[in-house]
Amino acid sequence: EAGVAQSPRYKIIEKRQSVAFWCNPISGHATLYWYQQILGQGPKLLIQFQNNGVVDDSQLPKDRFSAERLKGVDSTLKIQPAKLEDSAVYLCASSFYGEETQYFGPGTRLLVL
Amino acid sequence: KNEVEQSPQNLTAQEGEFITINCSYSVGISALHWLQQHPGGGIVSLFMLSSGKKKHGRLIATINIQEKHSSLHITASHPRDSAVYICAVCLNYGGSQGNLIFGKGTKLSVKP
Repeated sequence: EAGVAQSPRYKIIEKRQSVAFWCNPISGHATLYWYQQILGQGPKLLIQFQNNGVVDDSQLPKDRFSAERLKGVDSTLKIQPAKLEDSAVYLCASSFYGEETQYFGPGTRLLVL
Repeated sequence: KNEVEQSPQNLTAQEGEFITINCSYSVGISALHWLQQHPGGGIVSLFMLSSGKKKHGRLIATINIQEKHSSLHITASHPRDSAVYICAVCLNYGGSQGNLIFGKGTKLSVKP
């Protein structure tokens, strides 16, 4: 079974630039999560989708971060404009509807200079 | 105060040693996860617990719901066990049901 795919794996940008990350969840997984993991900390939930609807985006900095899952399958997370403190690993995870086990992708490591 | 606290933050062990990592939480949960994260790698789910004890190979996870505490044990540790071990709890209330709150992780290094 193919796992959660993410791209790119690494990205280096300058502050105030824009960046987008892509996630393709495991086939059949209705729930998709985006997490931000700053070095030395545990992941923090940014947004949770159920199919193409947003369930929880209470911790998403909406002035600069946006995410969509238009067809209820793959998802993109965008940062515009990026700040130095956005340097982190961005993890995507997915799960079957109603199940608690989440499957994580390899993450995208972002460095903002 | 963080809702999920892990100890120790860093742990260095000699190959073969018995290792224990602890996790305490302060919120109502429906389940607790132990996850493993290798440098540069993704996160792998080791266990999901809602009560009692689970064992998989050299790994054992226990949870005490009344005390809001869980432990992850590694028997006969090996250098390939070196990784960050993360405790995450699944909330069981309100609109946040199903969401995970993560501890900061325990960085384990096993020396040969």
